[in-house]
Amino acid sequence: DVKVTQSSRYLVKRTGEKVFLECVQDMDHENMFWYRQDPGLGLRLIYFSYDVKMKEKGDIPEGYSVSREKKERFSLILESASTNQTSMYLCASTLTGRTGELFFGEGSRLTVL
Amino acid sequence: QKEVEQNSGPLSVPEGAIASLNCTYSDRGSQSFFWYRQYSGKSPELIMSIYSNGDKEDGRFTAQLNKASQYVSLLIRDSQPSDSATYLCAVRGSGYSTLTFGKGTMLLVSP
Repeated sequence: DVKVTQSSRYLVKRTGEKVFLECVQDMDHENMFWYRQDPGLGLRLIYFSYDVKMKEKGDIPEGYSVSREKKERFSLILESASTNQTSMYLCASTLTGRTGELFFGEGSRLTVL
Repeated sequence: QKEVEQNSGPLSVPEGAIASLNCTYSDRGSQSFFWYRQYSGKSPELIMSIYSNGDKEDGRFTAQLNKASQYVSLLIRDSQPSDSATYLCAVRGSGYSTLTFGKGTMLLVSP
């Protein structure tokens, strides 16, 4: 069974803390994505990666960075968390050539106090 | 700016009825179109994809695409309470591009 696993389902952090969100997929997918989902705003793309050590900015990259050192792992980093980064974060992966067919993880709900 | 528009709903239909979910998109060069279903508290899952004009059927689901009108729809026949969810329309533009998602339409199917 295909799987995208996000390391933490729920996190509570304080303003200014550094936050790491980890995502691992076991499907040998080349492409990995980080989205955030907020009520009334829908799914918005933060960063994506088409290959190891490669990253591309999405629609809302400000305040975030990413790391992809291994094919199966894609990390989202909040260097200095702020309250407006309180959100549901969703990781997804897909095969090259099938970038519309995303497999999502269960999500990480981050609250920044 | 690529935009994908959906009526937020909720769309309420009785059990057994046909539910019709609609989506319009702004990028005329868009090539691929997808419908995702998201249950409350869960992540989205792909239920349909469509790439050419016309209808595509999969069980109780039919996706319809009209590129001239920049319009894509999802019909759910014989709606069941278990179909109650938010349905996200997603569009991929030309070339090697990422998906743009609509904000979703909430569907409520009452027994």
